[in-house]
Amino acid sequence: DTGVSQDPRHKITKRGQNVTFRCDPISEHNRLYWYRQTLGQGPEFLTYFQNEAQLEKSRLLSDRFSAERPKGSFSTLEIQRTEQGDSAMYLCASSPRDRGTDTQYFGPGTRLTVL
Amino acid sequence: AQSVTQLGSHVSVSEGALVLLRCNYSSSVPPYLFWYVQYPNQGLQLLLKYTTGATLVKGINGFEAEFKKSETSFHLTKPSAHMSDAAEYFCAVSGAYGNNRLAFGKGNQVVVIP
Repeated sequence: DTGVSQDPRHKITKRGQNVTFRCDPISEHNRLYWYRQTLGQGPEFLTYFQNEAQLEKSRLLSDRFSAERPKGSFSTLEIQRTEQGDSAMYLCASSPRDRGTDTQYFGPGTRLTVL
Repeated sequence: AQSVTQLGSHVSVSEGALVLLRCNYSSSVPPYLFWYVQYPNQGLQLLLKYTTGATLVKGINGFEAEFKKSETSFHLTKPSAHMSDAAEYFCAVSGAYGNNRLAFGKGNQVVVIP
């Protein structure tokens, strides 16, 4: 069990560019979640997957955001035409099953800075 | 829908003193409650959680929390603060039915004074 990993850890980009983040969950975890954390705030839910199926997206996830989890393993989060307001820490979490009692295990996050 | 309120963004505590972090929740269904800790440049780590059963929950690093349904609270305590407890602490809630998304409070930044 190597934990949830995220890549890259830091990303600096210019406004209008596209960026893609990767999350590798703990092996055999069915659920995968994406959250966003801005300075001074707690994480906010963006979207989640049950295996390869994306089951819910938050209203925070505008049309510029897209997430995938092909084959139910790793996941990617892409932001198109980045804006300064997208600057945040993007956190990925995974849990073993679909029960609410299951712990969500978080990765270290990807910090995005949009100039 | 679920939500959490954590008051006092910064909490200062003397080394050896009681740590008390307050969390009040709102939930339309039976809640599951969590406390996470975040150290600088690291992800969130689970301290403890309440799902069902015993309302006093013990976690890692000497922390515990008590679920009080009548007060809609889940306060976190530690009898004696250690320098290593300096970190940010988040309370979170999810509903017993649904997608298990976590709704977090704004967090408490704990500073331990030697």
